[in-house]
Amino acid sequence: DIQMTQSPSSLSATVGDRVTITCRASQSISSYLNWYQQKPGKAPKFLIYAASTLQSGVPSRFSGSGSGTDFTLTITSLQPEDFATYYCQQSYSPPLTFGGGTKVEIK
Amino acid sequence: EVQLLESGGGLVQPGGSLRLSCAASGFSFSSYAMNWVRQAPGKGLDWVSAISGGGSSTYYADSVKGRFTISRDNSKNTLYLQMNSLRAEDTAVYYCVRSTSGNYIDAFHIWGQGTMVTVS
Repeated sequence: DIQMTQSPSSLSATVGDRVTITCRASQSISSYLNWYQQKPGKAPKFLIYAASTLQSGVPSRFSGSGSGTDFTLTITSLQPEDFATYYCQQSYSPPLTFGGGTKVEIK
Repeated sequence: EVQLLESGGGLVQPGGSLRLSCAASGFSFSSYAMNWVRQAPGKGLDWVSAISGGGSSTYYADSVKGRFTISRDNSKNTLYLQMNSLRAEDTAVYYCVRSTSGNYIDAFHIWGQGTMVTVS
């Protein structure tokens, strides 16, 4: 199975900050990397697919990059509604696996 | 509006069974692979099972293989998960999730609100 490792597991930030979350795969997954946002008590929301393509309706302050084994999710100018937990997920080979999540909290 | 609505969760004793349902609306149900993804309390996301659009191919995580059965009724736009021999570690919110395409090896595009399963 492909292991997905996210870092950090949590971070504290202020509105307006630039935030970067890292996701590393245990083997190359090309660009088959997706990102999700989850708020407490809610279902995850699909943000980015194929490492860098924003899902329709996702604000442009979100961006993704990377290929192979190393990927990043960047939020420029963090907004109050962005405080949530973010998960990466590989869609390269089964079983489809998620990273452990990164909780973005208010400083 | 695209929507997935799960039902069937609840409290069950270890060794018991439960059947989850997911009613889909707003899209061509048979054109998409469907999945179940679960989240234990305070934990991350785990893919559980998937089924192709036509229903002929099914896939399972090792942790549930032989105990859970995924199925779908495309005439009713409904996805199912039959869960047998339930264990405490199966306690989680179970999400019904639509893939972005007919291929289950894909991103998870549309999520239901989830249904809680407690094994105790």
